[in-house]
Amino acid sequence: AQRVTQPEKLLSVFKGAPVELKCNYSYSGSPELFWYVQYSRQRLQLLLRHISRESIKGFTADLNKGETSFHLKKPFAQEEDSAMYYCALSGRGSNYKLTFGKGTLLTVNP
Amino acid sequence: NAGVTQTPKFQVLKTGQSMTLQCAQDMNHEYMSWYRQDPGMGLRLIHYSVGAGITDQGEVPNGYNVSRSTTEDFPLRLLSAAPSQTSVYFCASSTPTGGTVNTEAFFGQGTRLTVV
Repeated sequence: AQRVTQPEKLLSVFKGAPVELKCNYSYSGSPELFWYVQYSRQRLQLLLRHISRESIKGFTADLNKGETSFHLKKPFAQEEDSAMYYCALSGRGSNYKLTFGKGTLLTVNP
Repeated sequence: NAGVTQTPKFQVLKTGQSMTLQCAQDMNHEYMSWYRQDPGMGLRLIHYSVGAGITDQGEVPNGYNVSRSTTEDFPLRLLSAAPSQTSVYFCASSTPTGGTVNTEAFFGQGTRLTVV
């Protein structure tokens, strides 16, 4: 069975501090990993996908197959980064069937 | 471009009542899915569809029905509402691609349902 674990429910940092949101997964096969973000009162939206190897809003995430991890990192957090972050997984080409972690609520304090 | 539109935004039901949550997308996406979001549980897949006329169960399908008669619409029916179905419901759509590239899923704004 596929599973996504986000060990931190809440994460609080100060503006300008580095932030790392942890994500571990289990999947028998080649997974596609994503980070979705939900700002207050807004819809869920894609932040990053591992296959694109991109940096969005200063965030990066590297897929580590040995550790089965896909941690989200940003070197200098901003107040506008405060949001709920979900790590998600799907089989290749199966993005209609996402498995989400329980989410991490990030608060960036001034 | 409206994207994924869900109606209603809010709904209060009495136990035992039935209702339909509407979801429509205007991006000509083949794939559509319904999730429920509960505190401390993340999002869990209820039902999904890979094309008109094709639906399948997700992780938590009990108490819900879906149909997909058109590409654009994917309604979710609650047959007999229960307090355990109090949740925020999200509809999502996406499109398949060739090769190994996985496109993103686009989400609606959600329907907040309370069953009393």
